[in-house]
Amino acid sequence: NAGVMQNPRHLVRRRGQEARLRCSPMKGHSHVYWYRQLPEEGLKFMVYLQKENIIDESGMPKERFSAEFPKEGPSILRIQQVVRGDSAAYFCASSRQGPNEKLFFGSGTQLSVL
Amino acid sequence: DQQVKQNSPSLSVQEGRISILNCDYTNSMFDYFLWYKKYPAEGPTFLISISSIKDKNEDGRFTVFLNKSAKHLSLHIVPSQPGDSAVYFCAAQLYYNQGGKLIFGQGTELSVKP
Repeated sequence: NAGVMQNPRHLVRRRGQEARLRCSPMKGHSHVYWYRQLPEEGLKFMVYLQKENIIDESGMPKERFSAEFPKEGPSILRIQQVVRGDSAAYFCASSRQGPNEKLFFGSGTQLSVL
Repeated sequence: DQQVKQNSPSLSVQEGRISILNCDYTNSMFDYFLWYKKYPAEGPTFLISISSIKDKNEDGRFTVFLNKSAKHLSLHIVPSQPGDSAVYFCAAQLYYNQGGKLIFGQGTELSVKP
């Protein structure tokens, strides 16, 4: 009974490159949430998705960031033209039936921008 | 604006004694509060929660207290064990049915010494 799987665990990118972070929710879970943790800070909500739908993207930066959760396959958080300020730990969480359920978090992807 | 604050970045406690972790919030509309525990290189794991209509919730060694008039909650761990050493985050939800959108504090690193 695998938990929330995120890959890669560590991702190094140079400024201007693209970063793609993947998240496979727990089996039976169809709701995915992305959070970002900057150094010395708490986790901050970015986006909430259901299969093929973005439900709430109020925490997403207006530019360069996008997220999807296709019918088949993992959820993807995509950061275009990365900058040093994007360096952070990105956590994905999932729940079975959405907003009233407990969230289960993955181990995160540590993005480092050189 | 930091709506959820954990003012103590760290706490050191002797094994067997009580650990008290504190959290303050500013938004009186929050209606659900949660505590998460995080080990290094892992994602947060749910620990305990409390609804705003209650003032106490207990689960084994863990008890959460909510003081709505003071906008303050605390997590008590009794007795503390070395395995409890981790970073503890408190989080709040604005309306229970928006469960995925958690607002986290900065975290408190607990160290339990044998």
